[in-house]
Amino acid sequence: SAVISQKPSRDICQRGTSLTIQCQVDSQVTMMFWYRQQPGQSLTLIATANQGSEATYESGFVIDKFPISRPNLTFSTLTVSNMSPEDSSIYLCSVEGGGSRGDTQYFGPGTRLTVL
Amino acid sequence: SQQGEEDPQALSIQEGENATMNCSYKTSINNLQWYRQNSGRGLVHLILIRSNEREKHSGRLRVTLDTSKKSSSLLITASRAADTASYFCATDEGGSYIPTFGRGTSLIVHP
Repeated sequence: SAVISQKPSRDICQRGTSLTIQCQVDSQVTMMFWYRQQPGQSLTLIATANQGSEATYESGFVIDKFPISRPNLTFSTLTVSNMSPEDSSIYLCSVEGGGSRGDTQYFGPGTRLTVL
Repeated sequence: SQQGEEDPQALSIQEGENATMNCSYKTSINNLQWYRQNSGRGLVHLILIRSNEREKHSGRLRVTLDTSKKSSSLLITASRAADTASYFCATDEGGSYIPTFGRGTSLIVHP
């Protein structure tokens, strides 16, 4: 299993500002994932972050809006840029556990973002 | 991308009763997983069932998978107030192995 921490746990931000969310894993992992969960909705994958390469973004998400860093095998950041109230969501990072593809995904506790 | 759909959207039961949630999906899958989320926090993994498996148990949880009907069910037996949470199914398909999530079932267990 993997233990994942996220900072901050929650924040209230003003429109037009940016917030960087940190994700720390207690073990080295190849792939890290960033999800968004809008109020009352399911989780939507934003991007997959591999160490040493640019993140791969899902349809509807762009690097200018959600830049991601992956400086090493235990850490990643997601920035929500030029925020608007529509960005109010829970942002979660996750990693794949186990040795084979399709194994359990472990999630961080999430960052609850409110944009005023 | 594929998304599982949970049914019902909301379920309210008394402590001690069983809770059954269903998940349907559209195309062939590699794996199906069930997760629990308490009060908008992080997701906790419950059970993973692979496409060649039909049933798995973990404590009070029982998951079935019917690939012919493209559906899965999660049964929580002898429910407790602490089981109150949202439950999501997630499926992955093809070479992606990255799960996509359904909208979830909100379960309330009354003490």
